Amino acid sequence: EPEVTQTPSHQVTQMGQEVILRCVPISNHLYFYWYRQILGQKVEFLVSFYNNEISEKSEIFDDQFSVERPDGSNFTLKIRSTKLEDSAMYFCASSVRQGNIQYFGAGTRLSVL
Amino acid sequence: KQEVTQIPAALSVPEGENLVLNCSFTDSAIYNLQWFRQDPGKGLTSLLLIQSSQREQTSGRLNASLDKSSGRSTLYIAASQPGDSATYLCAVDSGNTPLVFGKGTRLSVIA
Repeated sequence: EPEVTQTPSHQVTQMGQEVILRCVPISNHLYFYWYRQILGQKVEFLVSFYNNEISEKSEIFDDQFSVERPDGSNFTLKIRSTKLEDSAMYFCASSVRQGNIQYFGAGTRLSVL
Repeated sequence: KQEVTQIPAALSVPEGENLVLNCSFTDSAIYNLQWFRQDPGKGLTSLLLIQSSQREQTSGRLNASLDKSSGRSTLYIAASQPGDSATYLCAVDSGNTPLVFGKGTRLSVIA
């Protein structure tokens, strides 16, 4: 069964470093999303991406964040200069179209020290 | 702004019991509602999606209902098993906006 895959499963970084989280969405899906979940809190939307551009972003998604689909299969989230409060589980999701089931990856646990 | 609430926050039941998890949302103008399962430290597994025009969806021992007008959904789990132990999340899609999640109900099924 097709699935969304995310790498790495766990990333440890020093405050101020850049990190890139990678995702491979399901191949025939057109909409891609990043969410995050700080420990003990709700899953929060970060950004959605369609047709090679951001379609929506939350107030969390500030200038330190960027997304890219560099090669038609990968979908990446870059955090330019990590802060302690960026420590969270980051989930990638994809769907065939808006309003359809969103399929989530297993997540990347980001720990900023 | 859509707000999603799930009660109870935690639930512990003996194996074999039927149980109901509740989800409420503040804005009834939704497109669909999705129930997820999350195991500790893991990703989100989609269980059921109910479109706004539907009243319920069933998958195996799971049945999800939707009452848009009252802003409520329930997830019914029949004959619970220890393997059902997980956190269950409800998420609302209002069409042109991303999923809004509740905080989840942590379910423990005791053998």
